[in-house]
Amino acid sequence: AQRVTQPEKLLSVFKGAPVELKCNYSYSGSPELFWYVQYSRQRLQLLLRHISRESIKGFTADLNKGETSFHLKKPFAQEEDSAMYYCALKGTGFQKLVFGTGTRLLVSP
Amino acid sequence: DTAVSQTPKYLVTQMGNDKSIKCEQNLGHDTMYWYKQDSKKFLKIMFSYNNKELIINETVPNRFSPKSPDKAHLNLHINSLELGDSAVYFCASSQGVLRGDTQYFGPGTRLTVL
Repeated sequence: AQRVTQPEKLLSVFKGAPVELKCNYSYSGSPELFWYVQYSRQRLQLLLRHISRESIKGFTADLNKGETSFHLKKPFAQEEDSAMYYCALKGTGFQKLVFGTGTRLLVSP
Repeated sequence: DTAVSQTPKYLVTQMGNDKSIKCEQNLGHDTMYWYKQDSKKFLKIMFSYNNKELIINETVPNRFSPKSPDKAHLNLHINSLELGDSAVYFCASSQGVLRGDTQYFGPGTRLTVL
């Protein structure tokens, strides 16, 4: 069964501090991992996906198959990064997207 | 130029009523979804349609009935509303269901059952 764990409900940092939002997954096959972001009262939007290996808004995430993790990182947090972040997993073939419980990131000035 | 739209944005209703939420996408996608986000912000899939056919049906009360009149629309009808149905419902769409198919979300419908 697919499972995504985000251990932190809330992560509070000061502006300019490094950020790491943790995501661990459980899946027996080869997963596809995503990070979605939801700003206050806005729709969920894709932030990045592991197959693209890109950096969006200064965020990066590396899939670590050994540790079954896909942590989201940013070296210097900005106030506008404050939002709800969801890690999500999709299995091979015809599979649904499974979301973690989300982590609220709060960046204070 | 809205990609995925939902109506209404807010819905306040009494217990026992029947209500519908509409979703439309203009991306030309084949697959559409309904998600429920509860008060704790937990997001869970409810249904998915691919080319107007139901492909995912999670453990959802049968008071919830999705309907897809065409590929661009997926509506959600809820009968006999209960307090626990209060949540934000998100519609989403993707090109297909394969790897690499990104899901695009609508703005959400906040349902409050009194």
